[in-house]
Amino acid sequence: DAGVTQSPTHLIKTRGQQVTLRCSPKSGHDTVSWYQQALGQGPQFIFQYYEEEERQRGNFPDRFSGHQFPNYSSELNVNALLLGDSALYLCASSLPRSDSPLHFGNGTRLTVT
Amino acid sequence: RKEVEQDPGPFNVPEGATVAFNCTYSNSASQSFFWYRQDCRKEPKLLMSVYSSGNEDGRFTAQLNRASQYISLLIRDSKLSDSATYLCVAANAGNMLTFGGGTRLMVKP
Repeated sequence: DAGVTQSPTHLIKTRGQQVTLRCSPKSGHDTVSWYQQALGQGPQFIFQYYEEEERQRGNFPDRFSGHQFPNYSSELNVNALLLGDSALYLCASSLPRSDSPLHFGNGTRLTVT
Repeated sequence: RKEVEQDPGPFNVPEGATVAFNCTYSNSASQSFFWYRQDCRKEPKLLMSVYSSGNEDGRFTAQLNRASQYISLLIRDSKLSDSATYLCVAANAGNMLTFGGGTRLMVKP
């Protein structure tokens, strides 16, 4: 039973570029959430997808957008990259219930130069 | 003020010690609470859920006080392998998790 898988594992981009990160949820999970974790801080919620719609969104600018596909996999897109976007981007899957624990992928480490 | 606040530590304790972590949350509408563990440069992993009645899992005990908006984690008989960052988490009804900044634990021989 595969857990949450993310790709790529590492990425280096230049300021102003665009990036797409990918996530496949754990088998049986239909809700995907994305988090940004800067060094030395806890993860910060970006947004959550369920039934191919953005259901909740954290305090992130419109440069951050996403998509969920019919097979529940998801993408995170970031436009006009800033140096401050350098972070570990974590994808988590769950069932759409508050008591359903999140299962995290290994993350994508993005470095913006 | 952060929604979920934790003492960042580090807590340096000898093997076998008992250590307690505390956490407060500000959103009274939070529905569920968890402790996650994160090893260096790895993803967070669920350690345990937290209930008002208190719950125990081996050497780990978690407690929730809704009136005080306070969550705790107690680790007994610390092992070297317990060294990690412990993240306190509050979830809303839609399962959006708000993480604290984490408390770093280092268990020494």
